[in-house]
Amino acid sequence: GAVVSQHPSRVICKSGTSVKIECRSLDFQATTMFWYRQFPKQSLMLMATSNEGSKATYEQGVEKDKFLINHASLTLSTLTVTSAHPEDSSFYICSASGYSQRTPLPNEQFFGPGTRLTVL
Amino acid sequence: DAKTTQPPSMDCAEGRAANLPCNHSTISGNEYVYWYRQIHSQGPQYIIHGLKNNETNEMASLIITEDRKSSTLILPHATLRDTAVYYCIVRASYSGGGADGLTFGKGTHLIIQP
Repeated sequence: GAVVSQHPSRVICKSGTSVKIECRSLDFQATTMFWYRQFPKQSLMLMATSNEGSKATYEQGVEKDKFLINHASLTLSTLTVTSAHPEDSSFYICSASGYSQRTPLPNEQFFGPGTRLTVL
Repeated sequence: DAKTTQPPSMDCAEGRAANLPCNHSTISGNEYVYWYRQIHSQGPQYIIHGLKNNETNEMASLIITEDRKSSTLILPHATLRDTAVYYCIVRASYSGGGADGLTFGKGTHLIIQP
């Protein structure tokens, strides 16, 4: 089946530093990738949508200059949290949809395992 | 995407069938019913989806009412590992990318009791 990985699984950083999270599709071409975040005891909230080779589309209230998204290849998207602050501490999850060997994948999205970010 | 309503929590005994309801009275004709679950501190996992016919796979069964205004996810023999938050999502179907992101409600926290 379609597998999505994320790296790192957890990261702790100091306030003011930048953190990069990678999302990879391991066995399919991810033409569209999504980034979500989840605060404790809350549901997932969509942050942005990125199509390979295009600029990401951000949801209302998500700062595009703070959460930099790059989707330069069909298997990799990165989310960089710039100048992270404690309020950015959250569980960040990516998902992907696309093709496997030129065949469209079924229309569900495939999720990564998530990255827990803690900003001190 | 149509809005869904789910009970916030449910308990089920291990080995019994877990039946999780979802109301989606504003569903439109081209919208599917999707179910995902999220085990604590993990990414969501796709379970099943359907349009109007009942569906079954190795994980679960999905029963959709004839008027499509509600559905029930059935885990036939619940195990402790099925403890998770279950999300019912209604959306149009896409394939091969180009889809919109998913809108997650609060879901149902299913607790399987030993």
